[in-house]
Amino acid sequence: DIQMTQSPSSLSASVRERVTITCRASQVISSSLAWYQQKPGKAPELLVYAASILESGVPPRFSGSGSGTDYTLTIDSLQPEDFATYYCQQYYSTPLTFGQGTKVEFK
Amino acid sequence: QVHLVQSGAEVKKPGASVTVSCKASGYTFSVFYIHWVRQAPGQGLEWLGQINTDTGGTKYAQKFQGRVTMTRDTSTSTAYMELSRLRSDDTAVYYCARGTGAIDYWGQGTLVPVSS
Repeated sequence: DIQMTQSPSSLSASVRERVTITCRASQVISSSLAWYQQKPGKAPELLVYAASILESGVPPRFSGSGSGTDYTLTIDSLQPEDFATYYCQQYYSTPLTFGQGTKVEFK
Repeated sequence: QVHLVQSGAEVKKPGASVTVSCKASGYTFSVFYIHWVRQAPGQGLEWLGQINTDTGGTKYAQKFQGRVTMTRDTSTSTAYMELSRLRSDDTAVYYCARGTGAIDYWGQGTLVPVSS
């Protein structure tokens, strides 16, 4: 199984701050990487797929990058609605595996 | 407009089985896989497996092999997930989700508390 190591597990940030979350796979996943946002009591929502392609309707302040085993989600100018938990997920091979999540909290 | 609508919450006792349904609409059901993902209270996301809605072929996470069964009914565009021999640590919200690759649509989740 491919292990996904996400960091940090939590962070505190202010509105308009830039936030970066990283995800490392235990083996090369060839950009088969998605990022999701989850708010309390809600299902996850897809933000980015193929490591860097923004899902339709996702604000451009979100961006994804990376290759090989190392990937990054960046939120430029954090907005109040962005306080949530973020997960990376590899779909290079089954079993699909998720990072442990990063909770973005208000500073 | 794509929708995945799941069946309602079910309280179960240890040792019992649960079946969660997931009715899809707004797209051609057999084009996309259906995945099942669960989330224990306060925890992260865990993949249980997937079903190829075209062929019915399944892949399950090793952890759930022998306890989970995924099926589909193409006539009603509905997928099903049965988990047997429930334990207290199976208490979770169970999600169905659509995807062949990244998962782009999720159901609303079904809470399954397991308690004696």
